[in-house]
Amino acid sequence: ILNVEQSPQSLHVQEGDSTNFTCSFPSSNFYALHWYRWETAKSPEALFVMTLNGDEKKKGRISATLNTKEGYSYLYIKGSQPEDSATYLCAPLNYGGSQGNLIFGKGTKLSVKP
Amino acid sequence: EAGVTQFPSHSVIEKGQTVTLRCDPISGHDNLYWYRRVMGKEIKFLLHFVKESKQDESGMPNNRFLAERTGGTYSTLKVQPAELEDSGVYFCASSKPGLAGAYNEQFFGPGTRLTVL
Repeated sequence: ILNVEQSPQSLHVQEGDSTNFTCSFPSSNFYALHWYRWETAKSPEALFVMTLNGDEKKKGRISATLNTKEGYSYLYIKGSQPEDSATYLCAPLNYGGSQGNLIFGKGTKLSVKP
Repeated sequence: EAGVTQFPSHSVIEKGQTVTLRCDPISGHDNLYWYRRVMGKEIKFLLHFVKESKQDESGMPNNRFLAERTGGTYSTLKVQPAELEDSGVYFCASSKPGLAGAYNEQFFGPGTRLTVL
């Protein structure tokens, strides 16, 4: 069973601040890591699927890096906006191929004040 | 392209009653997943269908939960009889087919919020 830790649990920043948070997971038997953005009462929205050590992905002001050897991924938001307020979830796969399912962390809840 | 839809959005039932949740995946997505989030906890995997077959049901809590996907299109998740601890948000997700299906992006529905009184 994978143990997925996300930190911090919550984060309050001002509009325009850049921020980052961490997802930690066991480095052995790594298959892939998914990042999701979730606003309450809406569907979790996929941000990135990361598979290779050293992967770096970007979507607008949001980017993510992956270190599979030490078992962590960082999510960065540059110039936070109020609309970035959401819970950010990371989810490594427990198996690869066609069988894997996602093991979610508890998430980091981001609040961006205007 | 329509997204994943779930019905109902909310359900309030009494302990001992039966509830059936429905999920319509994105057309053409063979993979269908059910997840659940109990308040304050992380989202947890329940089961995974590939077309109409159960690929993995290791996350199903007990035999009060029954999932079906007849015809490989929409899926239902029935809870019978419901208990207080079944309260939570039930999410459905779907992804494209393929041997590397686990690496594909999963598209989530908005969830069904179940409250058992």
